[in-house]
Amino acid sequence: DIVMTQSPDSLAVSLGERATINCKSSRSLLYTSNNQNYLAWYQQKPGQPPRLLIYWASTRESGVPDRFSGSGSGTDFTLTISRLQAEDVAVYYCQQYYSTMYTFGQGTKLEIK
Amino acid sequence: QVQLVQSGAEVKKPGSSVKVSCKASGGTFSDYAISWVRQAPGQGLEWMGGIIPIFDTTNYAQKFQGRVTITADESTDTAYMKLSSLRSEDTAVYFCAKSLYYGSASTTYYYNYMDVWGKGTTVIVSS
Repeated sequence: DIVMTQSPDSLAVSLGERATINCKSSRSLLYTSNNQNYLAWYQQKPGQPPRLLIYWASTRESGVPDRFSGSGSGTDFTLTISRLQAEDVAVYYCQQYYSTMYTFGQGTKLEIK
Repeated sequence: QVQLVQSGAEVKKPGSSVKVSCKASGGTFSDYAISWVRQAPGQGLEWMGGIIPIFDTTNYAQKFQGRVTITADESTDTAYMKLSSLRSEDTAVYFCAKSLYYGSASTTYYYNYMDVWGKGTTVIVSS
């Protein structure tokens, strides 16, 4: 299975500041025939199901604020929240869908400093 | 917009089985795959497996092979996840989620990112 490793495990950022979460996969998620990275980001708030934020590593899901952005290729990916707002407090997960067996990162807990 | 409505919470004894349902509305059931993801208390997300209802093809995470069965009923747009030989470590919230799929029967089917999720079903395993 492809192993997904996020860093850091937790993060405290001041309101209005930038938050950066990293995700590393044990093998490349880039499918060369279509030049797409098979990587998604989800946000999960307490008591709620995960919410899709980003897919194809950098495509924002409809309705997701533009302060959320995804970048990276191959094995290294980043989720950036450009100006942190109080409602962004959550756990964030990366997930690969390159293989027939989905795997998730362990999650990064984002809090307000 | 597709919505996924899951069945209610369950309390089960160790060694028994649980079957959780996930009913889709507002879309075409045959257009997508349904996955099951679980989350133990205070833990992360763990994919268990999935099904493409129109082809009745399933895919299971190795960890759950032999203990999980995922089925679908196209007549009611409902997917099911049955987990057997329950143990206390299976206490978790179980989510269903939909995704598009691609591939073919001659190679294999792949699932895409999960864009719609059910609210989750709590399963407690306790003697």
